[in-house]
Amino acid sequence: DQQVKQNSPSLSVQEGRISILNCDYTNSMFDYFLWYKKYPAEGPTFLISISSIKDKNEDGRFTVFLNKSAKHLSLHIVPSQPGDSAVYFCAASATQGAQKLVFGQGTRLTINP
Amino acid sequence: NAGVTQTPKFRILKIGQSMTLQCAQDMNHNYMYWYRQDPGMGLKLIYYSVGAGITDKGEVPNGYNVSRSTTEDFPLRLELAAPSQTSVYFCASSYGGVGGAGGNQPQHFGDGTRLSIL
Repeated sequence: DQQVKQNSPSLSVQEGRISILNCDYTNSMFDYFLWYKKYPAEGPTFLISISSIKDKNEDGRFTVFLNKSAKHLSLHIVPSQPGDSAVYFCAASATQGAQKLVFGQGTRLTINP
Repeated sequence: NAGVTQTPKFRILKIGQSMTLQCAQDMNHNYMYWYRQDPGMGLKLIYYSVGAGITDKGEVPNGYNVSRSTTEDFPLRLELAAPSQTSVYFCASSYGGVGGAGGNQPQHFGDGTRLSIL
C-alpha cells in the first residue's frame, strides 16, 4: 500500500527551463509535506516543505504547490540548473509528535545543458 | 559542523551474523530516526526516538533493535542478519517533531551505511 507515490521515475529538462516534479498521496491525515534532494552516495538533503494549511510555499528557485482536494503536490524548479540533477523524494507526515515520514519512490531529474 | 555521522559506510555480513550500525549527531536534536532504502524505492522508517531512553517502532521494525542512552547516539542493531536486510541504511535527526514549538523542523540525514548480507 503505497501512501505516497511519485509516478515518474525519471525526468529530463533542458537547462534554464522549468522542472516540475509531481507527487500523489492517499492518506488524508497527512498534514506536513517535504521535498528532499539526493545525490549518489549521500544522504537526502532537505529542500522545501509545506504545511496543509497552505497551498504554496516558495524558496528562491523552488516552489511547492499543494492541492489537498486532489491529494497532490508538485515541486517547481525555475530556472533549472545542472546542479539540480539528482533524485528528488517527496515525503509526508501525519503524526503529531515524531515526524514519521512516508517517502515516495523518488524521481531522477536530469538537467541537460 | 559534522551533523549526522554514520559508521561504517560499507559492510558485508554473512547470514546469521550480527552487527551494530552507529549513528551520532552533534546538533542537540531530540528526535532521531532510522530508515532503510531498497533499490528503486523510497526510504522506509525502521525505528525512531523522541529523546534519550524513549524509542518506538516505525513501519518496518522486524529484525532490528535500537537503544537511545544519550541524546547524541542512536545505534541500530541487527541480531541475525538475513538477505532481506540488504539495503542502504540512513540515520536522521530533527530538532522537533510535527507541529508545536520547534516543530516542523526538517530531518537532517547522514550519508548512509550500505549493507550487503550474503
